Amino acid sequence: EIVLTQSPATLSLSPGEGATLSCRASQSVSSYLAWYQQKPGQAPRLLIYDASNRATGIPARFSGSGSGTDFTLTISSLEPEDFAVYYCQHRSNWPLTFGPGTKVDIK
Amino acid sequence: EVQLVESGGGLVQPGGSLRLSCAASGFTFSSYSMNWVRQAPGKGLEWVSYITSSSSDIYYAGSVKGRFTISRDNARNSLYLQMNSLRDEDTAVYYCARGARGMAYFDYWGQGTLVTVSS
Repeated sequence: EIVLTQSPATLSLSPGEGATLSCRASQSVSSYLAWYQQKPGQAPRLLIYDASNRATGIPARFSGSGSGTDFTLTISSLEPEDFAVYYCQHRSNWPLTFGPGTKVDIK
Repeated sequence: EVQLVESGGGLVQPGGSLRLSCAASGFTFSSYSMNWVRQAPGKGLEWVSYITSSSSDIYYAGSVKGRFTISRDNARNSLYLQMNSLRDEDTAVYYCARGARGMAYFDYWGQGTLVTVSS
């Protein structure tokens, strides 16, 4: 089973600042990695798939990069609605697994 | 508009059974793979099970293999999860999630149904 590790666990930032979230895989997942956003009481929302492709309707301030074992989600300038928990997930093999999440909260 | 509506959650004793349903609308259900993903209270996301559009391929997380069964009825636009031998650690919100076209990601999610396993 591929283990995904996310860092930091919590990121405290102000609106307008940029955010950089990391996801590391225990073995190569090629580019088969997605990022999701989850707000309290809501279902997750797909942001990025296959490492760098924005899902339908996702603003351009969200971008993804990386391949192999190291991946990054970048939010160029935080909007108030971006404060949430972010999860990475691989689809390289079975079982699918998620990272533990990074909480982006308001400083 | 894509809609996924889960039902069937509730309180069940350890060792008991429960069947979850997910009603899909707003897309051609028979063309998409489907998944169940769960989230224990205050915890992260855990993928549970995947089924292809034709039910030809099915996969489970190790934590539920042999106890849970995923199935679908394309004529009824419905997805199911039969959960047997339930344990305390199965307590979670269970989400129905559509598989992104050709990829094992989740592009649409329901609002979830809470399953509580407790005596």
